[in-house]
Amino acid sequence: YELTQPPSVSVSPGQTASISCSGDKLGDKYACWYQQKAGQSPVLVIFEDNKRPSGIPERFSGSNFGNIATLTISGTQVLDEADYYCQAWDRTTAIFGGGTKLTVL
Amino acid sequence: QLHLQESGSGLVKPSQTLSLTCSVSGGSINTGAFSWNWIRQPPGKGLEWIGYISHTGSTYYNPSLESRVTISLDTSMSQFSLKLSSVTATDTAVYYCAREGIVGATRYFDYWGQGSLVTVSS
Repeated sequence: YELTQPPSVSVSPGQTASISCSGDKLGDKYACWYQQKAGQSPVLVIFEDNKRPSGIPERFSGSNFGNIATLTISGTQVLDEADYYCQAWDRTTAIFGGGTKLTVL
Repeated sequence: QLHLQESGSGLVKPSQTLSLTCSVSGGSINTGAFSWNWIRQPPGKGLEWIGYISHTGSTYYNPSLESRVTISLDTSMSQFSLKLSSVTATDTAVYYCAREGIVGATRYFDYWGQGSLVTVSS
């Protein structure tokens, strides 16, 4: 099972960034999203398709339908620049997407 | 606040066994609501899940690594460990330990260690 992400996405500060993650019948599974800033450990930003952990800003949201999960960052800030990874479970194996580098400029 | 900390050898020779330990503090490792995972990231590349162990000792491994991986749990020490045998240069990576929360069908890696760089080289 594979999850496919675009290698890079660029957005201007204040605009909306969308990062896609595609996989066969991904909508039938729960998707998570992780943010990883340079030199740091990943941080959970979305779980169960569209839920935010405590402490994650409201500008982060998610959706998951059909074969595509999407992470949306509204009003993107410079501090949101990072690598983002989608993740889902295929039976008993955790699968990560290849990651998307979000550039805010 | 839960804290996870990896420890172990940073340099391993080819064909030998990589060994890492994750120490868990600030919470119990002996609870059914969580699993304890190892995830790695080769330099400049993405994340790869290695496997997990439950509080009962049940283990699940990535099929691509299953023949070389062993994850064990020591609840008395609040630690879990990773052994990866017959390593090659492609096993060079930052190795993370992580807790996974499990609520019904909902699963997520909510706490991560800082990561431990392991280099395979002679």
